[in-house]
Amino acid sequence: EAQVTQNPRYLITVTGKKLTVTCSQNMNHEYMSWYRQDPGLGLRQIYYSMNVEVTDKGDVPEGYKVSRKEKRNFPLILESPSPNQTSLYFCASSPPGEDGYTFGSGTRLTVV
Amino acid sequence: SQQGEEDPQALSIQEGENATMNCSYKTSINNLQWYRQNSGRGLVHLILIRSNEREKHSGRLRVTLDTSKKSSSLLITASRAADTASYFCAQSPGGGSNYKLTFGKGTLLTVNP
Repeated sequence: EAQVTQNPRYLITVTGKKLTVTCSQNMNHEYMSWYRQDPGLGLRQIYYSMNVEVTDKGDVPEGYKVSRKEKRNFPLILESPSPNQTSLYFCASSPPGEDGYTFGSGTRLTVV
Repeated sequence: SQQGEEDPQALSIQEGENATMNCSYKTSINNLQWYRQNSGRGLVHLILIRSNEREKHSGRLRVTLDTSKKSSSLLITASRAADTASYFCAQSPGGGSNYKLTFGKGTLLTVNP
């Protein structure tokens, strides 16, 4: 089944403890993105990647890092999480050109 | 912010009625897309309309695009309880950069049985 897989689905962590949210897609898509969703703010793009080793900042990149060493994987790294990073996170992928994105099921992160 | 805006923020209708949601955006686009999100779940791509298209259909969905007004509308005909969800429009900016997709804040649609 074609899908984007995120792990974990739920995570509660403490301020300052480094964490990684994994994202993997099995559709051989070039484009991958991370979004966060907050009430009243909709979805905001954190980082995106156009292909292996090619990444760029989205609208809200502060406090996040990404890497794209393989085409299928696009992990999101929070080096020192803070409570304002409590949010619902989505990874998504798309082929190049004009096509829709396939989204993962989301990761609900709480930083206390 | 380059986020678009959906209107209304919330819409409640009876099963069988039509639902219309609107989206306005700020900059030139390559295409505009509509997504559905069931409560807290991942978004599902519904339909994409290119900047040189004015109308597109997919099943019970009809999307229009007016680039002169920088607006789009999504019409769901003969709605069903299962259509209850949040609906988002997303803009792919001019230049073909589909990787820089910008979402609006969404319309919450409730279809009452």
